[in-house]
Amino acid sequence: LAKTTQPISMDSYEGQEVNITCSHNNIATNDYITWYQQFPSQGPRFIIQGYKTKVTNEVASLFIPADRKSSTLSLPRVSLSDTAVYYCISISNFGNEKLTFGTGTRLTIIP
Amino acid sequence: EAQVTQNPRYLITVTGKKLTVTCSQNMNHEYMSWYRQDPGLGLRQIYYSMNVEVTDKGDVPEGYKVSRKEKRNFPLILESPSPNQTSLYFCASSFRDSYNSPLHFGNGTRLTVT
Repeated sequence: LAKTTQPISMDSYEGQEVNITCSHNNIATNDYITWYQQFPSQGPRFIIQGYKTKVTNEVASLFIPADRKSSTLSLPRVSLSDTAVYYCISISNFGNEKLTFGTGTRLTIIP
Repeated sequence: EAQVTQNPRYLITVTGKKLTVTCSQNMNHEYMSWYRQDPGLGLRQIYYSMNVEVTDKGDVPEGYKVSRKEKRNFPLILESPSPNQTSLYFCASSFRDSYNSPLHFGNGTRLTVT
């Protein structure tokens, strides 16, 4: 049973900000939300992780409201190279253990 | 360079012929895991290992075996491959007890079983 739910696909134009939402209604108290990016024929790579409020790094921002039932990955000023599949997963701070990635969101950037 | 290395990258085999896909990491990670990726189904976990000699089933373990005799290696074994195991396989590793330890993935092994 998937712990998170995301849109299957999204399209956006170059230069725009893209927000991908993730629903995790049953997130456990000890779980963190983590996002991965995957290009075709490559393994996923870590983008960002957070517990609540806002986290920002050089690649993206992650917004998690107080109830933690959802989160939003924000990609500023996307380019064609941001076309990829994005996975939202919840990870326990007791360790990775059994991790379910699901199908992710296929983001296509249009020139 | 810190990395997860899978071999081979591509493999074509016939039904029933035992095969092993190797996975090795040089980051001293306790946790290792195998995933398969199929169109429309995303990444599904096959097996994972929390440390040496400790392995457990993921979501789709049927038809696969693993072993963890050393910390750095986590081979995936298909005793009798079948066509429904044709897929793209990824190995991943991370530290065990830190939430702030992202998974590092290998470059994948594309397996075709005819």
